[in-house]
Amino acid sequence: DAGVTQSPTHLIKTRGQQVTLRCSPKSGHDTVSWYQQALGQGPQFIFQYYEEEERQRGNFPDRFSGHQFPNYSSELNVNALWLGDSALYLCASSLEGHMNTEAFFGQGTRLTVV
Amino acid sequence: GENVEQHPSTLSVQEGDSAVIKCTYSDSASNYFPWYKQELGKRPQLIIDIRSNVGEKKDQRIAVTLNKTAKHFSLHITETQPEDSAVYFCAALWEGYSTLTFGKGTMLLVSP
Repeated sequence: DAGVTQSPTHLIKTRGQQVTLRCSPKSGHDTVSWYQQALGQGPQFIFQYYEEEERQRGNFPDRFSGHQFPNYSSELNVNALWLGDSALYLCASSLEGHMNTEAFFGQGTRLTVV
Repeated sequence: GENVEQHPSTLSVQEGDSAVIKCTYSDSASNYFPWYKQELGKRPQLIIDIRSNVGEKKDQRIAVTLNKTAKHFSLHITETQPEDSAVYFCAALWEGYSTLTFGKGTMLLVSP
């Protein structure tokens, strides 16, 4: 049983470019949440997807957008990259209707914007 | 929204000592409080969690206590070992959003 998988593991982009990060949830999970973890900080909630729709959103600009596919996998897109977008991007999956259950994290994508 | 404060930011102990990390939260509606351990370059991994209907939970050397009245919860690690060295994050589930709000983390260093 594969856990949460993310791709790519590392990425270097230039300021102004666009990036797409991918996440496959743990088998049996239907909800995907994305977090941004800056160096030395705790993960910050970006948004959550359920039934292919963005259900909740944190305090992030519209440059951050996402998508969820029928197989529950998800993408995070960031447009017009800033230097400050450099961070570890974590995907976590969970099961809807079981709010108080463990969120499983992927290994993350380390994004560096130069 | 929910706000989670975590202290201390760094904690150094000798092997065999106990370590305590404390967190406070703001939203009284929060009812699920997990703790994650993150080793350098790795994903956060759940080590223990507690729900609001329980005041204390223990798993071998790790325990968590919750005071809902005061809105704080703590992680206790006994008989610390060098492999306990990592960054520990507390989190609270904001029931209105079903998403986790994390503290800023505590870097625990256990010296042999």
